[in-house]
Amino acid sequence: DAGVIQSPRHEVTEMGQEVTLRCKPISGHNSLFWYRQTMMRGLELLIYFNNNVPIDDSGMPEDRFSAKMPNASFSTLKIQPSEPRDSAVYFCASSLTGELFFGEGSRLTVL
Amino acid sequence: AQKVTQAQTEISVVEKEDVTLDCVYETRDTTYYLFWYKQPPSGELVFLIRRNSFDEQNEISGRYSWNFQKSTSSFNFTITASQVVDSAVYFCAHSPGGYQKVTFGTGTKLQVIP
Repeated sequence: DAGVIQSPRHEVTEMGQEVTLRCKPISGHNSLFWYRQTMMRGLELLIYFNNNVPIDDSGMPEDRFSAKMPNASFSTLKIQPSEPRDSAVYFCASSLTGELFFGEGSRLTVL
Repeated sequence: AQKVTQAQTEISVVEKEDVTLDCVYETRDTTYYLFWYKQPPSGELVFLIRRNSFDEQNEISGRYSWNFQKSTSSFNFTITASQVVDSAVYFCAHSPGGYQKVTFGTGTKLQVIP
């Protein structure tokens, strides 16, 4: 069975550029989560969706961050404009019964 | 708000030793879930176990065991006869139940020395 698929795996961009991270959840899962991991702040929940509807986006750092889930099989996390402090590993996870299954993460470096 | 505390930042043990990773949580929820995840050096996050708040039975899976005690708000994880492949960061996590946010602790880095 395919797990959670994230792309790109690595992204290096310059400050001010737009970054779009993509996630395909496990088929049949109805909840999707975006987390960010840094050494300083650990694992932070940015936003989560249930049945494609955003439930809690209180973890989104600021207006530069936005997330969408247009259908049950696809979600995006967009940063515009990006800043060096956004450098982190961004994980997408999906769930059906409470436990999270994570993708391999997207490592973002903003120069 | 929920809070998960993993007081041990880093632990080093020699291979074949037993090791216990501590997790203490704070919650006002009457029902909730607790989890453990493993993050090996390769970086992926791997689900290990979920416990429901109404089920305090301890669980054993091979060399892994979990001790859940509501009275002390703890959900500790023991690895018996540790192996080098157990070297990873281990995260404890809490969820209010249902399809709600999962809050992670800061993680404990375990290094198993051959």
